[in-house]
Amino acid sequence: GAVVSQHPSWVICKSGTSVKIECRSLDFQATTMFWYRQFPKQSLMLMATSNEGSKATYEQGVEKDKFLINHASLTLSTLTVTSAHPEDSSFYICSARPRGQGFNSPLHFGNGTRLTVT
Amino acid sequence: AQKITQTQPGMFVQEKEAVTLDCTYDTSDQSYGLFWYKQPSSGEMIFLIYQGSYDEQNATEGRYSLNFQKARKSANLVISASQLGDSAMYFCAMREGPPSGTYKYIFGTGTRLKVLA
Repeated sequence: GAVVSQHPSWVICKSGTSVKIECRSLDFQATTMFWYRQFPKQSLMLMATSNEGSKATYEQGVEKDKFLINHASLTLSTLTVTSAHPEDSSFYICSARPRGQGFNSPLHFGNGTRLTVT
Repeated sequence: AQKITQTQPGMFVQEKEAVTLDCTYDTSDQSYGLFWYKQPSSGEMIFLIYQGSYDEQNATEGRYSLNFQKARKSANLVISASQLGDSAMYFCAMREGPPSGTYKYIFGTGTRLKVLA
């Protein structure tokens, strides 16, 4: 159980275009989803916390107009990288915790999306 | 300031031996949770083990155990009887925030473990 599906797993786009990444919880509801960015051989950096039905909370230094997050339902959150540039190339990974589970519940992660901007 | 510190960027261990991966943390919260995740080269994040700040006993999950020293703010992962498949990146993470309020999970810089045959 607790499967998170992230799509696409990889994408190559041209500079200036926008890319949408979807994160779905397949067998549970998630009021909160987290979006992370990971540079090669580095840690996961929290970008934003996505809350169902409300605006996302962005971490300091993350451009909210650049990384648009929408959490339209209890099972779907999307991250749109707008006007992508080569420096946005990275591994993006979403995660969620099942609604109603306790404090000791771990995050469940999608398999990540490798974005390459040419 | 770093909230989760993993001081070992890389570790080697002989197959079938035990290995300890270090993790120290910094928080002023009384209630918090500590997690370890494994990330193979394929990229997915695999949950290994959890330790709550109020747990008196060290957590264990199969070959994984967590050496929790609250006063030192350390939560080291011990892998016993290492296997070749254990070669991966290992991340220590902490949940920040109250149980019923706004929370987030932050990660350390990771330790790359290589198991030698």
